[in-house]
Amino acid sequence: KQEVTQIPAALSVPEGENLVLNCSFTDSAIYNLQWFRQDPGKGLTSLLLIQSSQREQTSGRLNASLDKSSGRSTLYIAASQPGDSATYLCAVSTSGTYKYIFGTGTRLKVLA
Amino acid sequence: DADVTQTPRNRITKTGKRIMLECSQTKGHDRMYWYRQDPGLGLRLIYYSFDVKDINKGEISDGYSVSRQAQAKFSLSLESAIPNQTALYFCATSDDSGAGVYNEQFFGPGTRLTVL
Repeated sequence: KQEVTQIPAALSVPEGENLVLNCSFTDSAIYNLQWFRQDPGKGLTSLLLIQSSQREQTSGRLNASLDKSSGRSTLYIAASQPGDSATYLCAVSTSGTYKYIFGTGTRLKVLA
Repeated sequence: DADVTQTPRNRITKTGKRIMLECSQTKGHDRMYWYRQDPGLGLRLIYYSFDVKDINKGEISDGYSVSRQAQAKFSLSLESAIPNQTALYFCATSDDSGAGVYNEQFFGPGTRLTVL
């Protein structure tokens, strides 16, 4: 059974810092991995999706990498800003089912 | 206009009441999903549908039922609500047509349900 873990559960950094959020999964037979942002009490906004054949995806200050063999993905945020404060969730869809399993998220606070 | 909409956005109900949450989408996606989110537990899949005639249970379907009325509409029902069904409920869609990124999920704004 696929399990998805995100560490740390919470992170507080000063503005301008580069940071890395981690996502690990137990079954490497994934179809794709998607990173989301969630603001308090709000819906999920898709940030990046990496397909199983890809190693990384970039969008603006965000870069997501995927290492299937080690069961890991990282979300790199460059030059963090207070507006980046949110919970970041990763979700993995497993080959053959296409259902997503979610991690519990990392709650990020960027201090001005 | 939002691509995935949910109604109601907030609902307070009493134990034993029947309640329906509705989801509509204008993205033209065949696949639709219902999740619930609880603090510390992340999102968990309740039901999913890959087309109008296809309904599947997720990991926590007990106490819930769904109806896929059309490609664009997917409803979640709680037949007899209980307090531990208090949660944030999300509807999502994904594309299997190949026109976009295959299986990328898009979420609605959520419904906050409180069962007293």
